[in-house]
Amino acid sequence: GAVVSQHPSWVICKSGTSVKIECRSLDFQATTMFWYRQFPKQSLMLMATSNEGSKATYEQGVEKDKFLINHASLTLSTLTVTSAHPEDSSFYICSARSGVDIGETQYFGPGTRLLVL
Amino acid sequence: AQKITQTQPGMFVQEKEAVTLDCTYDTSDPSYGLFWYKQPSSGEMIFLIYQGSYDQQNATEGRYSLNFQKARKSANLVISASQLGDSAMYFCAMREDSSASKIIFGSGTRLSIRP
Repeated sequence: GAVVSQHPSWVICKSGTSVKIECRSLDFQATTMFWYRQFPKQSLMLMATSNEGSKATYEQGVEKDKFLINHASLTLSTLTVTSAHPEDSSFYICSARSGVDIGETQYFGPGTRLLVL
Repeated sequence: AQKITQTQPGMFVQEKEAVTLDCTYDTSDPSYGLFWYKQPSSGEMIFLIYQGSYDQQNATEGRYSLNFQKARKSANLVISASQLGDSAMYFCAMREDSSASKIIFGSGTRLSIRP
C-alpha cells in the first residue's frame, strides 16, 4: 500500500508553545489530506479535511485558529497546534488519498503523540 | 445519532479460531463505502478491507472477509484462523458519497487472541 509519513513521532512541549506536525505522502500525490486526533482508548475523530492549495474544512467544534492546517503541495500537509495546552495532549494522525472515488483507500501516517506539560 | 456502531468493546478469541467483529451503520446516501482498519498498539492505522454499497459480492482479502448485509445495514468483519498478531483495535468506518470524501469511524473493538 501507499506510504504516509509523519514527523515528529513524539513531541513534548511546554504549555503556550506552538507545535508543527508534518504529514507527507511518499509515493503518491495526495489530493486530499485529513487530520484526526485520538484520545486514549477512544476512536479517531476527524478534525479537518484539506485539499491542496485551498483552505481546510474544519469539523464542528474544532477551532481553526488553534489548529492551523496548511496543504501547500500534493505531498505535504502540516498541522500547527498554536499555544498548546495540556488538554491538547493527544495522538494526532494524518491521512491521505489520491483520488475521488468513493472506494479510494485512505492511507494513514504512523501518528504523532503530543504531550503538553 | 451514531453513524457507525460497534457494539463489542472487547473480545477474546482462541488462536486459530475464526472471529466476527460486528459493525452496523446508518446512512440515507445510496452510495457509500465501508472500510475496516486495524490499529495495533503502535498506533498506526492499517487498511484491511473495503466494501462498496453497490458491490454484489462480499469483499475478501486473504484471511479477512466482510459479511455485508445491506438491508440490515451491517458490515461485519470476519477473520479466519486468527493469529496472535491479530491482537489489536479494529475500527469500522464509512464514507458517504455526499460527505466530501471524509471517513468517519466507529468506536472500535479491542480483539485479544489467546495462545
